[in-house]
Amino acid sequence: AQKVTQAQTEISVVEKEDVTLDCVYETRDTTYYLFWYKQPPSGELVFLIRRNSFDEQNEISGRYSWNFQKSTSSFNFTITASQVVDSAVYFCALISLSFNDMRFGAGTRLTVKP
Amino acid sequence: GAVVSQHPSRVICKSGTSVKIECRSLDFQATTMFWYRQFPKKSLMLMATSNEGSKATYEQGVEKDKFLINHASLTLSTLTVTSAHPEDSSFYICSARSGGNTEAFFGQGTRLTVV
Repeated sequence: AQKVTQAQTEISVVEKEDVTLDCVYETRDTTYYLFWYKQPPSGELVFLIRRNSFDEQNEISGRYSWNFQKSTSSFNFTITASQVVDSAVYFCALISLSFNDMRFGAGTRLTVKP
Repeated sequence: GAVVSQHPSRVICKSGTSVKIECRSLDFQATTMFWYRQFPKKSLMLMATSNEGSKATYEQGVEKDKFLINHASLTLSTLTVTSAHPEDSSFYICSARSGGNTEAFFGQGTRLTVV
């Protein structure tokens, strides 16, 4: 079975604060891919990152960084110096080669206040 | 990344009518397409997976006769909501994937309102 858990339903921070969004996944496969998407109020899904199961290197892209730890089955996402424009729902997702489809976590609604 | 176009972006229809939503891969051949439904403030729930030329595989609890999925070509899949009811009102999103690629590209979504 495949499962993605985002335990944080809603997070509210003040601008310039750092915030980490948690993602824990379950899969029996050894080959799988993890994703983060941003969904602004418009509804469109914006791709942020893809990471395969063999690459545990952490990644930084501007104010965004991702921490992938296979030992704890986690793929956490940190926004540094948050901005109001970061307010959105963020989804973590998993796809594995045994399962043809992408499974999403419940999403975390991030609100960044000025 | 690759482009997936979903049309229409918004549709309002009367109860009892049918609505067709199109999902097109514009610059790649989509061997597999996925249809998701998203309720307000909820996650994306997979409805069905379709492979070109084959019947769609529906997730448990999704009515096949109500949500007709056709994937007749490598660039087009359609979702038809038949005899729509107000409870079918939702945000529907498609995604497409090519055979050797594990990344799925998403359409812009369709907000369906049944009145």
